[in-house]
Amino acid sequence: GAVVSQHPSWVICKSGTSVKIECRSLDFQATTMFWYRQFPKQSLMLMATSNEGSKATYEQGVEKDKFLINHASLTLSTLTVTSAHPEDSSFYICSARDITSGTYEQYFGPGTRLTVT
Amino acid sequence: DQQVKQNSPSLSVQEGRISILNCDYTNSMFDYFLWYKKYPAEGPTFLISISSIKDKNEDGRFTVFLNKSAKHLSLHIVPSQPGDSAVYFCAASAPSNYQLIWGAGTKLIIKP
Repeated sequence: GAVVSQHPSWVICKSGTSVKIECRSLDFQATTMFWYRQFPKQSLMLMATSNEGSKATYEQGVEKDKFLINHASLTLSTLTVTSAHPEDSSFYICSARDITSGTYEQYFGPGTRLTVT
Repeated sequence: DQQVKQNSPSLSVQEGRISILNCDYTNSMFDYFLWYKKYPAEGPTFLISISSIKDKNEDGRFTVFLNKSAKHLSLHIVPSQPGDSAVYFCAASAPSNYQLIWGAGTKLIIKP
C-alpha cells in the first residue's frame, strides 16, 4: 500500500515553455501533498504544501506564479513549471500524506527529472 | 537555522557489520521522527519511525533509538548489506504540523 506515482519520470523541454508534472496517490487518499526539489548532492528542498481543494502554501523564495500547483482531487496534484529556464532543471519529487490516518509518514513518488535546454 | 542535523555527510561500513547513522535536532516540540532511504534518481522510501513517547523502535534489521534529553536519534542497521548503500535522511515533525523537517542526509557505503 501507500504507492505514489509521478509522470513523467523524465522530461526535456525548451526554454520558455511550460511543463506539467503529475503526482498521484494510487491506493490512498492524499489529503496533503508536498512538492520537493533536489539539487545534485543536496538535501530535499520543500517547495510547497497543498491540501486538497485549497491553494498551495509556498515556501519562502519559491515563486508561486512560476511553479503552479493544483490539488484538485484526493489522488492527484500537479506541478506546472511555467516559462521554464535552464536553472529550473532539477529533480522534482512529490510526496503524499493522508492526515486522517493519524500518522506522519509521507510517501514519495519516484521523482521527475526536468532538463530545460 | 538547521533544526535537524546529520553531521556526517558519508559513512563507510564493511558488509555484515553494524551501520550507525546519527541525527540531532534542536526543536523540543518535535514529537515524531522518521528515517528515509534514497537511491539516486529515485524518491525517498520510508524506513522506520519513532514517536517521542518511545526510546526504541525495531523493524527487522533496522532499529531507531531516541534520546530525548540529548535531542539525538540514531538508526542502526545490522547486519549491513550491499543493498543498504544509499543516502539516509532523518526527518522530524511537530504536532499539528504537516511538514517534515529534513536533515541533509548521510551517504552510506557498504563495502564488500
